[in-house]
Amino acid sequence: RKEVEQDPGPFNVPEGATVAFNCTYSNSASQSFFWYRQDCRKEPKLLMSVYSSGNEDGRFTAQLNRASQYISLLIRDSKLSDSATYLCVVNQYGNKLVFGAGTILRVKS
Amino acid sequence: ETGVTQTPRHLVMGMTNKKSLKCEQHLGHNAMYWYKQSAKKPLELMFVYNFKEQTENNSVPSRFSPECPNSSHLFLHLHTLQPEDSALYLCASSQDRGLVTGELFFGEGSRLTVL
Repeated sequence: RKEVEQDPGPFNVPEGATVAFNCTYSNSASQSFFWYRQDCRKEPKLLMSVYSSGNEDGRFTAQLNRASQYISLLIRDSKLSDSATYLCVVNQYGNKLVFGAGTILRVKS
Repeated sequence: ETGVTQTPRHLVMGMTNKKSLKCEQHLGHNAMYWYKQSAKKPLELMFVYNFKEQTENNSVPSRFSPECPNSSHLFLHLHTLQPEDSALYLCASSQDRGLVTGELFFGEGSRLTVL
């Protein structure tokens, strides 16, 4: 089993749609969780942290389900500019950030 | 100006060449990293330096040789590479190890092609 697993997509959605991605992780003792965004031919950038109680930042909502060992990212009212690859990142073993391979989102007009 | 700059942005080299990738961070961070990004694969951590000392080497082949002369500069020396080493090499920096905030600041990468 991969340490951090994501559906590669692509998810093709129209503008204004709501889309959600999940990410599963293998180590139940993982301590912290993050979503990064990587635009085409650009570097990854931190999008948001994922807190145990769930958290929201504008149109983006992140949630953690420790029992099932997954995190999710929900994007409401998708914009063309949301098109990117979304990387799930998990602090496994307390001393290492492990990246997923990413989920591609394409928002179309 | 980006906080982390990498040069060159593109590099083509033969298997017998020797070249170096350079990274400089202007953020005052103490930790620096080399990652490898291949198509459809997760970012692979290669090396970690904290306060100029190498703290992690993820079983990287010796044909990749890192150098960290100070907390702001990081090099990756390349020699006798293989075609499968073709990838995007990303440098990153963070305050401490970024394990709490999860925030790594990446450069735009050096795209390497080995012929």
